[in-house]
Amino acid sequence: AQSVTQPDIHITVSEGASLELRCNYSYGATPYLFWYVQSPGQGLQLLLKYFSGDTLVQGIKGFEAEFKRSQSSFNLRKPSVHWSDAAEYFCAVGGRYGGSQGNLIFGKGTKLSVKP
Amino acid sequence: NAGVTQTPKFQVLKTGQSMTLQCAQDMNHEYMSWYRQDPGMGLRLIHYSVGAGITDQGEVPNGYNVSRSTTEDFPLRLLSAAPSQTSVYFCASSQPRGASSGANVLTFGAGSRLTVL
Repeated sequence: AQSVTQPDIHITVSEGASLELRCNYSYGATPYLFWYVQSPGQGLQLLLKYFSGDTLVQGIKGFEAEFKRSQSSFNLRKPSVHWSDAAEYFCAVGGRYGGSQGNLIFGKGTKLSVKP
Repeated sequence: NAGVTQTPKFQVLKTGQSMTLQCAQDMNHEYMSWYRQDPGMGLRLIHYSVGAGITDQGEVPNGYNVSRSTTEDFPLRLLSAAPSQTSVYFCASSQPRGASSGANVLTFGAGSRLTVL
């Protein structure tokens, strides 16, 4: 079955510390991969995406993610967290072909808290 | 450019009432979809549409109806609301396959918070 697992429900880091949010997926073929961020009471904003090519992708707000095919993972990283990064982060996967390729499967999310 | 617009932002219903959540996009996107977000569950796909006149079910379609009479609009109907439908609903749209790297990148609306008493 197709699925996305975000093992960490809640993570707390100190401002200025590095961050890694984990994402593992189960999919029949190499999917498209995404990270979205949701601030409280807001909609979802795309942080970054992987379609093909370089497995290290850069996104907005200083985030990056690395696709590791052998581990079926797409972990999100940031070298130095800012208080404004406190939000919920969602990993998602989608198919490459067919009319329903817009149908994304989301993980359950990881809530990030930032300590001053 | 408004993107994806959802109305209303908040709604309280009584069990058994009906209502329609509206979704409109002005980006000429072929693909539109509805997700619901529940605490600890992430987002789950309710219904989607790959173009005007074409709709299909997602992961959790029961209790919801959709139609797509125009490219711009994709309303979600609750015919008889139940407390289990208390949730935050998100509409999203994207470019169809064949576009450049924009394929599959969903643009989300701001969400509609529904409470069913």
